[in-house]
This record gives sequence, C-alpha cells and structure tokens, in this order.
Amino acid sequence: EGHLVESGGGLVQPGRSLRLSCAASGFNFDDYAMHWVRQAPGKGLEWVSRISWNGGSVDYVDSVKGRFTISRDNAKNSLYLQMNSLRVEDTALYFCTKDMDGSGLNPHDGFDMWGQGTMVSVSS
Amino acid sequence: DIVLTQSPATLALSPGERATLSCRASQSISTYIAWYQQKPGQAPRLLIYDASNRAAGIPARFSGSGSGTDFTLTISSLEPEDFAVYYCQQRYSWPPNTFGGGTKVEIK
Repeated sequence: EGHLVESGGGLVQPGRSLRLSCAASGFNFDDYAMHWVRQAPGKGLEWVSRISWNGGSVDYVDSVKGRFTISRDNAKNSLYLQMNSLRVEDTALYFCTKDMDGSGLNPHDGFDMWGQGTMVSVSS
Repeated sequence: DIVLTQSPATLALSPGERATLSCRASQSISTYIAWYQQKPGQAPRLLIYDASNRAAGIPARFSGSGSGTDFTLTISSLEPEDFAVYYCQQRYSWPPNTFGGGTKVEIK
C-alpha cells in the first residue's frame, strides 16, 4: 500500500518563503500526476496545484499563481511546492495527493491517496 | 469557475439511518464528480469517482448518483465510523479543481 509523507511546514512571516516536500512510497510515483490541496483551519478543502507524471504540465489556483511553484523529482519519488511571497491567507494544512491518472486531467478520476499534511502558518 | 454547493451543511442522524447528501454544480459537469470523507484530524479519503464508482476498499453502503448539475451521495445505513465531513469535487473543468463546502454528518 502506498504512502505520502509531507514535510517542510512551519511558522513564517508574511513575504517570506517555504518549500514543502512530499515523499512517496509503495507505488510507481512516475506513473501518476500529483496535486497539492490545502485546508485553512476549520475550513474546507481548496485545490492548489497539479503536476503531470513527467512534470511537463502544471496548473495553479489563481490565488497562488506567480508565487508558488510545483515540481517533482521522479528519481527521488518526491513532490515539492516552493511557496514565495507568503500571505496570511496561505495559512493552512497542506496535503500532498495522488491522482488516479498520469496527466491529472482525466475527468473520470479522483485523488486516491493523501498524506497527513504539513501545517503552514503565516503570521507576523 | 464552477461552484459546487453542498446541502445540508449539517445532517444529524442516528446509526442505522440512511444519509442522503446533495451536491449541486453551477453548470453541467456530466458525471465528473468525486466524493471524499474526512474525519477529524485525518486526511480526506476518496469514496466515489465519476459520480457512481466506488473507490478501492469502500464499503457497499456508500453509493453515488447523478449527472449534469445534481449529485447525491447515499450512505444506506450509517455505521459509527461514518460520522464525518463529506466533500464533493468537480473534475469537469479546471483549473481550478473545485471542492464543495462540505456536509457534516453528526450523531443525533
């Protein structure tokens, strides 16, 4: 059975940067698209970003475009989220999730594996 | 962006009862919807994809239906472990890949 383990969260001041990591195991990481989904304290789920199996296609929610960069290293079975110019409203638990498909664009699929999340708190 | 509206916000039921959760899309999304369960302090878990397909390991008491703009997640007989928050997600058009606001199923 596969696992996803996030790391890299923490408390940071507005305007600063953080890099989240997600270590994958137990499945063929380079066959699947991956996503980051976040959840602000006491709130619902918000999709943040997608990356295809080979990193050739990426998407972002409008609120993070130009500030966040998703990437992956298939040789290391790892997913990353570089977060720059952090804002108070970026405060959330960030989940790494696996798509059922390699592109992440198959409308018939869902996110079938989730990590436990890493908390990002942005405050002065 | 496609907006998903879940209702009710909270559903108070007893174990053994039937739960019916609704998700309405702001435009037609065919059958391109997934449902997730999230328990306190845990990550979400995929229950249903493509409106009616149960994910691996999901009990048969969970079922999904609908197409177009109106979708339903049904739990035929609530078990104690089913009390949680449920989210729908549209896969029709993105970015962004939107989620609904959630329905909390609580013990009556």
